[in-house]
Amino acid sequence: DVKVTQSSRYLVKRTGEKVFLECVQDMDHENMFWYRQDPGLGLRLIYFSYDVKMKEKGDIPEGYSVSREKKERFSLILESASTNQTSMYLCASSFGRGNYGYTFGSGTRLTVV
Amino acid sequence: GENVEQHPSTLSVQEGDSAVIKCTYSDSASNYFPWYKQELGKRPQLIIDIRSNVGEKKDQRIAVTLNKTAKHFSLHITETQPEDSAVYFCAAPSWGKFQFGAGTQVVVTP
Repeated sequence: DVKVTQSSRYLVKRTGEKVFLECVQDMDHENMFWYRQDPGLGLRLIYFSYDVKMKEKGDIPEGYSVSREKKERFSLILESASTNQTSMYLCASSFGRGNYGYTFGSGTRLTVV
Repeated sequence: GENVEQHPSTLSVQEGDSAVIKCTYSDSASNYFPWYKQELGKRPQLIIDIRSNVGEKKDQRIAVTLNKTAKHFSLHITETQPEDSAVYFCAAPSWGKFQFGAGTQVVVTP
């Protein structure tokens, strides 16, 4: 069973803090993704990566960066957290590009105060 | 890029009735269409998918149909049960990643 593990289930951070969200997958998937999920807006892609050291901007990359130093780990970084980044963050991984489904992590609910 | 529209946004059905959710997409090159179910407080999980070389796929009480000409695909749930209550998302590929529909909240009432 493919597992995608997100390091924190709930986080509360202060405005201006640098925040790290970690995601690890154990199935040797090349592709990893970060989405945020907000009521009424569905799932929006922040960043994705097709290989180690590679990263691509998604639809809403502003205020975020990512790091992929190892194949199994994909980190999302909020450089200076703001209240409008309060959201549910979902990590996903997949085999293949657009022709196989995602496996999602359990999500991190981030609250910025 | 791909644009995915999903309807309805909410769907209330009596237990035992059928539920249908429809998605339209814009990229005619798209050839793989997954559906995800997200129960309250849980991660989205892939429940069924369809590739463009078939028009329909069934798995027990759920089925997906695809009309490539019209660029739409639908999820059908028959004999709904309370455990089918969840948010359902469709997705279509766009340059190697997926665009998701906005989701359908399905409520099955006993």
